[in-house]
Amino acid sequence: EAGVAQSPRYKIIEKRQSVAFWCNPISGHATLYWYQQILGQGPKLLIQFQNNGVVDDSQLPKDRFSAERLKGVDSTLKIQPAKLEDSAVYLCASRTSGSDEQYFGPGTRLTVT
Amino acid sequence: LAKTTQPISMDSYEGQEVNITCSHNNIATNDYITWYQQFPSQGPRFIIQGYKTKVTNEVASLFIPADRKSSTLSLPRVSLSDTAVYYCLVDSGSARQLTFGSGTQLTVLP
Repeated sequence: EAGVAQSPRYKIIEKRQSVAFWCNPISGHATLYWYQQILGQGPKLLIQFQNNGVVDDSQLPKDRFSAERLKGVDSTLKIQPAKLEDSAVYLCASRTSGSDEQYFGPGTRLTVT
Repeated sequence: LAKTTQPISMDSYEGQEVNITCSHNNIATNDYITWYQQFPSQGPRFIIQGYKTKVTNEVASLFIPADRKSSTLSLPRVSLSDTAVYYCLVDSGSARQLTFGSGTQLTVLP
């Protein structure tokens, strides 16, 4: 079974630029999550999708972050414009209905200079 | 959401049993306790989940006392490859959301 795929793995941008991250969850997993992990901290949930609908985006900084999952499969997380404090690893995870286990991708390491 | 508290770091030697304790005083009736493991440059990986008493799988055991205000992850006979950060989480019920703390950095020494 293929795992959660994310791209790119690494990204370096300057502040005020925009960036987008892509996630392909495990096939058949209806629930998709985006997390932000700052160095030395645990992951923080940004947004949760159930199919193509948003379940919770209460911790998503909506003035600069946006996410979509138009067809209920792949998802894109965008930051525009980026700030220095957005430097972190962005993790995508997915979960199948009826299971509590989340499967995480390898993450995208973003550096904002 | 219930907050969890766990030690920042622990050291152990190869072959020893390691116990990592987590406190979650405000756990709700319907909450489950879940542990994840994270290696550098990788996403977290599910280890074990439990509600009460004891749960065991092929890699770990989870002990939860009757009051459920704490839990202990037990790793039998650790090896160098068990060096990682271990997160204790309280699963907030129907939303199936995970709230990660800072985790415990376990270092296994030869």
